Amino acid sequence: AQKITQTQPGMFVQEKEAVTLDCTYDTSDQSYGLFWYKQPSSGEMIFLIYQGSYDEQNATEGRYSLNFQKARKSANLVISASQLGDSAMYFCAMVNRGGSEKLVFGKGTKLTVNP
Amino acid sequence: GAVVSQHPSWVICKSGTSVKIECRSLDFQATTMFWYRQFPKQSLMLMATSNEGSKATYEQGVEKDKFLINHASLTLSTLTVTSAHPEDSSFYICSAPRDNTGELFFGEGSRLTVL
Repeated sequence: AQKITQTQPGMFVQEKEAVTLDCTYDTSDQSYGLFWYKQPSSGEMIFLIYQGSYDEQNATEGRYSLNFQKARKSANLVISASQLGDSAMYFCAMVNRGGSEKLVFGKGTKLTVNP
Repeated sequence: GAVVSQHPSWVICKSGTSVKIECRSLDFQATTMFWYRQFPKQSLMLMATSNEGSKATYEQGVEKDKFLINHASLTLSTLTVTSAHPEDSSFYICSAPRDNTGELFFGEGSRLTVL
């Protein structure tokens, strides 16, 4: 069975500093995708970044980068130059590419950016 | 703009009434849509997979007769909370895979409050 583990219930970072949000996953599938979503207080889920299991390079999207270490089954999200607007819940998720497009979510990490 | 739209964004109803939430893919067809429920400060819980033209697939522990799902067209899925009770109060979110790029789009969510 697929499982996502986010061990940090809450994280604090100073504005303009970088922060890493941890995510480990467990799957027996060879083909899968990893996602990070941001959920502000409004509740909307905002897609941030995607990494395919066969992608050789780590995904990057602006200030977001995904530190993908396949052997360790980790997919940490790195946010550079944190902004106050980055304060939100962050969810790591995984999808099995061989089957349905069903996402399995972690419990989330609440990030607070301090001025 | 949003490619998956949910309506209503919030609803308040009396106990015992039924509430319908719509999820629309605005610029793509979605043969599959997913319905999630989020409890306060917790991760999203997948409730069911909505399949166009066929019965929905419910996750274990989700009452089929309580949460009716209809996926009548390639752009619309509805979730009906029947005979709602205060414990059904929650944030409900839908998502739909756009194509084979691996990106899921989420609706803005619907907050249900049952009095």
